[in-house]
Amino acid sequence: AQKVTQAQTEISVVEKEDVTLDCVYETRDTTYYLFWYKQPPSGELVFLIRRNSFDEQNEISGRYSWNFQKSTSSFNFTITASQVVDSAVYFCALLGGYQKVTFGTGTKLQVIP
Amino acid sequence: EPEVTQTPSHQVTQMGQEVILRCVPISNHLYFYWYRQILGQKVEFLVSFYNNEISEKSEIFDDQFSVERPDGSNFTLKIRSTKLEDSAMYFCASRGVVRNTEAFFGQGTRLTVV
Repeated sequence: AQKVTQAQTEISVVEKEDVTLDCVYETRDTTYYLFWYKQPPSGELVFLIRRNSFDEQNEISGRYSWNFQKSTSSFNFTITASQVVDSAVYFCALLGGYQKVTFGTGTKLQVIP
Repeated sequence: EPEVTQTPSHQVTQMGQEVILRCVPISNHLYFYWYRQILGQKVEFLVSFYNNEISEKSEIFDDQFSVERPDGSNFTLKIRSTKLEDSAMYFCASRGVVRNTEAFFGQGTRLTVV
């Protein structure tokens, strides 16, 4: 069985602060994909990143960075110098083997100007 | 980046009416999925479809729901007699046949039952 835990339900930060969204996952598969999606108020799922379980290299894309730690089964997402436009719900998700994608419960991020 | 396309983006329907949500998966993909997200809640798995049959379904996917791949390109979700609680975002996804290939999600259809 697969499980994704996003323990932070809601986070509020002041604009320009850094913020880290936590994601912990469980799977019995040795090969799997991890994802982060952003869901703005309009409702669509905006793909941010996918990570193959064999690739533990951390990634940076502009103000976004991801820290994949297989040893702790975590795939955390950091936004540097947050902006109001970053306000959204962020979902972490896991796909293993032939199984379906399993989503976490999401973290609602509010960036206050 | 390959794309999964969903239509319509927003559908309003009266309670008790049938509704069909449409998805065009990525052309060489063979696994297809529907997910549902009630406003403010998590994204929930509904059903997976492979080789022209349902491979897995959740407890949400009751007799009111059905899926079909009518013409080899579209993948549809039908709700026979909509209820108010069916109001949600519905997401379609597809993935390739090789084990552990990634899934791609459509932008969703917002269904409002009035």
